[in-house]
Amino acid sequence: NAGVTQTPKFRVLKTGQSMTLLCAQDMNHEYMYWYRQDPGMGLRLIHYSVGEGTTAKGEVPDGYNVSRLKKQNFLLGLESAAPSQTSVYFCASSYPKGGADTEAFFGQGTRLTVV
Amino acid sequence: ILNVEQSPQSLHVQEGDSTNFTCSFPSSNFYALHWYRWETAKSPEALFVMTLNGDEKKKGRISATLNTKEGYSYLYIKGSQPEDSATYLCAFPRNGGSQGNLIFGKGTKLSVKP
Repeated sequence: NAGVTQTPKFRVLKTGQSMTLLCAQDMNHEYMYWYRQDPGMGLRLIHYSVGEGTTAKGEVPDGYNVSRLKKQNFLLGLESAAPSQTSVYFCASSYPKGGADTEAFFGQGTRLTVV
Repeated sequence: ILNVEQSPQSLHVQEGDSTNFTCSFPSSNFYALHWYRWETAKSPEALFVMTLNGDEKKKGRISATLNTKEGYSYLYIKGSQPEDSATYLCAFPRNGGSQGNLIFGKGTKLSVKP
């Protein structure tokens, strides 16, 4: 099983450029999330989705947009990249009910550098 | 503001040592407490999801306990092996737990020397 797949795995952007990170899951999960991981910080939630066509802001949403046009895909967009967005990005998904007791399944991460 | 604290930040032990680390979380409005194992260059993977006060869960040499009244959980590793080297994350559901999204601690990085 593929689980949660993120593309690309690595990317270098120039300041001001835009890009989209793709997350795909094949587990029929309703809930999907985008986190960023920075040195000395825990995983911080950027945006999340509780179902196809829905999105919501997380802890650190500024500078990012998301879309969930299909249940299996969750896209994270950077319209105008800034050096502060240099980070490792993780996508995750969780079970249909998505309650507090359901574990999250993570992708392998995307390392983004903005120069 | 919900906060999840983990200690220590890092730990270096010898192969065969037993070790433990702590996760502290808000004791009010408890729903669940998650533990994840994160190896370098891999994805975080769930170890345990704990929901009941006094709960103890075990997976091989790794076990966890939960005290919801005082807001802490311990993760224990018995007889550490080099393959246990990883960052161990705990996480607490935000928004009353209804939407599954998690607040993560900064993790405890464990290094086990052969």
